[in-house]
Amino acid sequence: SVLTQPPSASGTPGQRVTISCSGSSSNIGSNTVNWYQQLPGTAPKLLISFDNQRPSGVPDRFSGSKSGTSASLAISGLQSEDEADYYCAAWDDRLYWVFGGGTKLTVL
Amino acid sequence: QVQLVESGGGLVKPGGSLRLSCAASGFTFSDYYLAWIRQAPGKGLEWVSYISSSGSSIYYADSVEGRFTISRDNAKKFLNLQLNSLRAEDTAVYYCARDNGGNGDSGDAFDIWGHGTMVTVSS
Repeated sequence: SVLTQPPSASGTPGQRVTISCSGSSSNIGSNTVNWYQQLPGTAPKLLISFDNQRPSGVPDRFSGSKSGTSASLAISGLQSEDEADYYCAAWDDRLYWVFGGGTKLTVL
Repeated sequence: QVQLVESGGGLVKPGGSLRLSCAASGFTFSDYYLAWIRQAPGKGLEWVSYISSSGSSIYYADSVEGRFTISRDNAKKFLNLQLNSLRAEDTAVYYCARDNGGNGDSGDAFDIWGHGTMVTVSS
C-alpha cells in the first residue's frame, strides 16, 4: 500500500490507542487525510475527514491529526465495539486515491 | 435516506466481462463525485476508479487502467463499472462510494458507501 499503517494495534477498555499512517509529499504532505472504520462483514464507515473533522454521529472519542507526511487516529476511552479494521486514505497529486493497508484493532 | 446499492457481481471466467451498477437515492446525484473501491478477500481497501459529478473527469488505478471503464447516468442516478479482461486478482467485493464534496466539487473523503457486490474470477 502507498500509505503505511501498522497491521495491528490493541488496548484494554478505557485506554487510549493511536494508529499511525505514513505517506509522502504527494499525498498526505499536500492533501487531507481521512479515516475509515470497518466492522467485520460490513462496508467501511467514514470516521474522520479533512485530517481531523468528525462527520455527524461519530463519537468525539475518535480524533485525527496530521504532521508533515504522517497522520494519526486516536481513540480514547476504548470500548469493545471499537474492535474493527481502520484505514487511512488521501488523494495523491499523481491523480489517484491511496489507502493504507489497514490496522486491525483488538480490544483485550 | 441517502443510499447506494450495488448490483451485477457474480462468478466469471478469466478473460471474461462483467458490468457493475450502483443505484443512488436520497441525494442530488449529479452534485457528487463517485468512486469504485474494492476489497479482495481478507485484504485491505483498494481504490479502483473515480468520476467527477459531470462525468467529464475520470481516473483509474494502474491495476485496472485499460480494462475497466467507469461511467454515470445522472438522469437515472446510476454509477456503472464495466469490467473487461478480468483476472483472478480482480476477485473482490466492489463498493460504490460517494465523495463528500457536493455542489459539483470534489471533497476529501468517501462519506457514503454501498454494501458491496462480490466479483469472483475463476475458471
